[in-house]
This record gives sequence, C-alpha cells and structure tokens, in this order.
Amino acid sequence: SQTIHQWPATLVQPVGSPLSLECTVEGTSNPNLYWYRQAAGRGLQLLFYSVGIGQISSEVPQNLSASRPQDRQFILSSKKLLLSDSGFYLCAWRTGMGNTIYFGEGSWLTVV
Amino acid sequence: QKEVEQNSGPLSVPEGAIASLNCTYSDRGSQSFFWYRQYSGKSPELIMFIYSNGDKEDGRFTAQLNKASQYVSLLIRDSQPSDSATYLCAVNNAGNMLTFGGGTRLMVKP
Repeated sequence: SQTIHQWPATLVQPVGSPLSLECTVEGTSNPNLYWYRQAAGRGLQLLFYSVGIGQISSEVPQNLSASRPQDRQFILSSKKLLLSDSGFYLCAWRTGMGNTIYFGEGSWLTVV
Repeated sequence: QKEVEQNSGPLSVPEGAIASLNCTYSDRGSQSFFWYRQYSGKSPELIMFIYSNGDKEDGRFTAQLNKASQYVSLLIRDSQPSDSATYLCAVNNAGNMLTFGGGTRLMVKP
C-alpha cells in the first residue's frame, strides 16, 4: 500500500533563517506531488505541484521554493523565512490527474 | 477565478441528528468532487468522492452531486461527537487541479 511521510512534524524558526521540509511517498511510482499551506483557521493554499522529477509548478509567488530530486521525494525550502510563512504545511500525492489526493501528516511551522 | 465555497460554520447539531454540509463551485467543467475531514491540528483525510450526479452512500455518509446547480453536499446520519471536525470540499476542475473550499466546522453536541 502507498504511504506518505513528511518531516519534521513541528519546528520553530527565527525570521530570516532557512527552511527545509521533506516529503517521501512509498508504494507508488511517478506520483503527482503537492505542497499546500494552511494558515490558522484558513483553507488550503496550493503552493507547488510536480508531475515528475525536476518539474515544478508554482501557484503562488513568494519566498518559498520546491524541488523534486527523486521520483518520490519532494522538498520545500526557503532561504529566509518571514513571519507570514508560519502555518501548517502539507505534502500530498495523487496517482494521476482527477484522482484522489492523499495528505501527509503535516508540518507545523512557527516563525518567530 | 475557479472557486469552491463553503459556509465556515460552526454548524452545531445534536448527537444522533443528520448533519448537512454544503459546497458550491464555480467551474462548470469540474469532473470529480471530494470530501475530506480534518480534525484540529491534523491533516485532512478522505471521506468519500463522487463523480456522477445523484447520491453516493458509504456507511453513515452520503455525498450528493448536482452538476446543473453546481452543488455538492455531504450528509452525516446519526452524527456522533467524534464527527466534530472541519469538513473540506474539494473540486477537480477542468484544468485537472484540485481546489479546496475553506471548510465547514461541524460540532456534534452530546
């Protein structure tokens, strides 16, 4: 069966520090991968999606970036965090367009 | 802009009652529709999906889709306190991207 793992689960980072969140999917090949952010009490905002290795599409311009160095690995990064980057970050995958999206456990980021 | 709208709630129902959660969407080309449940502090988990007009039942949950009215709903029968959560509607639009509504917070009171 397919599983998705995301880490770290929680982190507190100072403003201006770098960020790296990692996500891996097991049990499937060539998944579509997604990074979402959910601010406190808000809906899900799509940040990036990827349909293959090295293929990244950005939905929202900001100081975040994403990379997909391997088929089942998706990384969210920032060189310098802002206070507004605080939130709940969710990695997700689906086997193809139109199919169900499944979420990882999420990462709580607090920028102080 | 392709939008998915939900009443943010909270929707409060007594234990054992039917909870009705509603969602409207703007993209007429949308093909598939999903309901997720999200407990506080946790990631969303899929409850069910629906592709065709009409009703789809899974245990205590029934999804209803009306493409002409651009309306999808989720009914929860015999609501339990453990059903208290935020319910997210998601729509796969004609561009094959999944758009989420803001969610409806459901509170089931014992």
